[in-house]
Amino acid sequence: KAGVTQTPRYLIKTRGQQVTLSCSPISGHRSVSWYQQTPGQGLQFLFEYFSETQRNKGNFPGRFSGRQFSNSRSEMNVSTLELGDSALYLCASSLARVSPGYEQYFGPGTRLTVT
Amino acid sequence: ILNVEQSPQSLHVQEGDSTNFTCSFPSSNFYALHWYRWETAKSPEALFVMTLNGDEKKKGRISATLNTKEGYSYLYIKGSQPEDSATYLCAFAGGSQGNLIFGKGTKLSVKP
Repeated sequence: KAGVTQTPRYLIKTRGQQVTLSCSPISGHRSVSWYQQTPGQGLQFLFEYFSETQRNKGNFPGRFSGRQFSNSRSEMNVSTLELGDSALYLCASSLARVSPGYEQYFGPGTRLTVT
Repeated sequence: ILNVEQSPQSLHVQEGDSTNFTCSFPSSNFYALHWYRWETAKSPEALFVMTLNGDEKKKGRISATLNTKEGYSYLYIKGSQPEDSATYLCAFAGGSQGNLIFGKGTKLSVKP
């Protein structure tokens, strides 16, 4: 069974640009969550999508947005990039909503560098 | 703001040592507690998902316990091996509609 895939794996952007990251969940998984990890911080929750609807959103500005398609693939968009957006962005998929106790399967992440 | 604390931040042990780490979380509105292992250059990998007070889970040399009333979980590694070197993350799920809140992790280094 193929794992969670994320593209691209590495990305360098300049301040003010926008970026779109992609996540393909494990086949059959309907929930996709996105996280940001910066040095010294734990994984910070960005949002969760389930059945093409955003179910939860973390404490991030509106520049961070996402969507989920009917095949459960998800994209995350960051507009007007700032230096502080440099981070590892992880997506994770699970069979159903996270909270009922379904474990999450993480992708390899996208390393975004903003210069 | 809900807080999940993990201690210690890092741990250096010799091969063969047994070790344990702590995860503290809010004791109210508990739904689930997750443990993940994150090896360098790899993706976080689920170890356990625990939902009931008093739960004990085991996978090989790794086990975990859960106390939801006092808001803590312990992860134990018996006879640590170099391949156990990783960052161990716990994540709290509060409420059936909530998201996972991760701690900052405990980084374990096992010397041969």
